[in-house]
Amino acid sequence: EAQVTQNPRYLITVTGKKLTVTCSQNMNHEYMSWYRQDPGLGLRQIYYSMNVEVTDKGDVPEGYKVSRKEKRNFPLILESPSPNQTSLYFCASRGSVNTEAFFGQGTRLTVV
Amino acid sequence: AQSVTQPDIHITVSEGASLELRCNYSYGATPYLFWYVQSPGQGLQLLLKYFSGDTLVQGIKGFEAEFKRSQSSFNLRKPSVHWSDAAEYFCAVVTNAGNNRKLIWGLGTSLGVNP
Repeated sequence: EAQVTQNPRYLITVTGKKLTVTCSQNMNHEYMSWYRQDPGLGLRQIYYSMNVEVTDKGDVPEGYKVSRKEKRNFPLILESPSPNQTSLYFCASRGSVNTEAFFGQGTRLTVV
Repeated sequence: AQSVTQPDIHITVSEGASLELRCNYSYGATPYLFWYVQSPGQGLQLLLKYFSGDTLVQGIKGFEAEFKRSQSSFNLRKPSVHWSDAAEYFCAVVTNAGNNRKLIWGLGTSLGVNP
């Protein structure tokens, strides 16, 4: 089954404790991205990747890092989480830049 | 700059009634357009998409949408709503410039369904 898998689904952490949210897709897609979803603000792109070893900032990259060492994986790293990063995070992949996105189930992150 | 507007933040309809969710975009060329649905606690699922050709597109779950270039709109419709359609609906467009070609999202319309 074609899917994008994120882990964990839920995470509560403390300010400053590094964390990683994993994302993996099994569709051999080149294009992957991370979004955060906040009430009233919709979906905002954090980072995207056009291919292995090619990543770039989206609209709200501050406080986040990503890597793309393999085509299927695109982890999101919060080196020093802060409460304003409490949000619902989605990973998405696309076969090409002109096709639809497939989304993971989301990761609900709370930073206290 | 490209943008997507969903004018209705929340809509409530009765089960069995027809539904139309509005989406307007701001973009110079013909965009690639999408409608997604997000059920509570779930990720986003593609309902339908428009790339070219017939301006009336059919999607999953009985939804359809019509692309109207003159109105810069891509409204989502369903003739008879079911209680399970209660969810958040997002319209999106792919930009056609630069390397990112990211999806531009509307802020969503929350749909409530009365029994």
